Amino acid sequence: KAGVTQTPRYLIKTRGQQVTLSCSPISGHRSVSWYQQTPGQGLQFLFEYFSETQRNKGNFPGRFSGRQFSNSRSEMNVSTLELGDSALYLCASSLGTGGLAGSAPYEQYFGPGTRLTVT
Amino acid sequence: AQKVTQAQTEISVVEKEDVTLDCVYETRDTTYYLFWYKQPPSGELVFLIRRNSFDEQNEISGRYSWNFQKSTSSFNFTITASQVVDSAVYFCALSEALNYKLSFGAGTTVTVRA
Repeated sequence: KAGVTQTPRYLIKTRGQQVTLSCSPISGHRSVSWYQQTPGQGLQFLFEYFSETQRNKGNFPGRFSGRQFSNSRSEMNVSTLELGDSALYLCASSLGTGGLAGSAPYEQYFGPGTRLTVT
Repeated sequence: AQKVTQAQTEISVVEKEDVTLDCVYETRDTTYYLFWYKQPPSGELVFLIRRNSFDEQNEISGRYSWNFQKSTSSFNFTITASQVVDSAVYFCALSEALNYKLSFGAGTTVTVRA
């Protein structure tokens, strides 16, 4: 079974530009979550999508947005890039269904990440 | 609010030594899930184990074992007979029920020397 894929793997952008990152979840997974990893703040949750709807959102400014398509693929967009947006952006996929005791809907499997550098 | 604390920043051991990683969590939910992830130098987070709050049974899976104690809100993870390939950053994470938001600890860097 193919894992989570993220494109592009590396990206260099200039302040003020916008960027779109893509994530393809594991086949059959309907939940996609996005995380930002920086040396200073660590791993922080951005948002989670399930069946094309945002179910949960972290504490990030509105410049960070996302969407999910009917095939569960997801994109996240960052507008008006700032130097502080330089980070590793990780996408995670999960079955996404409500959990029964002992079942494993909450395991999230991560992709290799997109390394974004803002200059 | 949920919070995960990994007090150990770095651990260095010689191959074949055991390594225990500490994790303490805070949550107001009675149902929650705890995880350990490994991040090797390649950057991808690798899922290792999951534990449900309603099951305190501790288990061993290969060279991995974990000790979950609700009374002390701790979820410690042990690598037995460490190998050089175990060198990575290890993250403890918490997810509350019906919530796909993972709250991560700061991570512990494990270096296994040959």
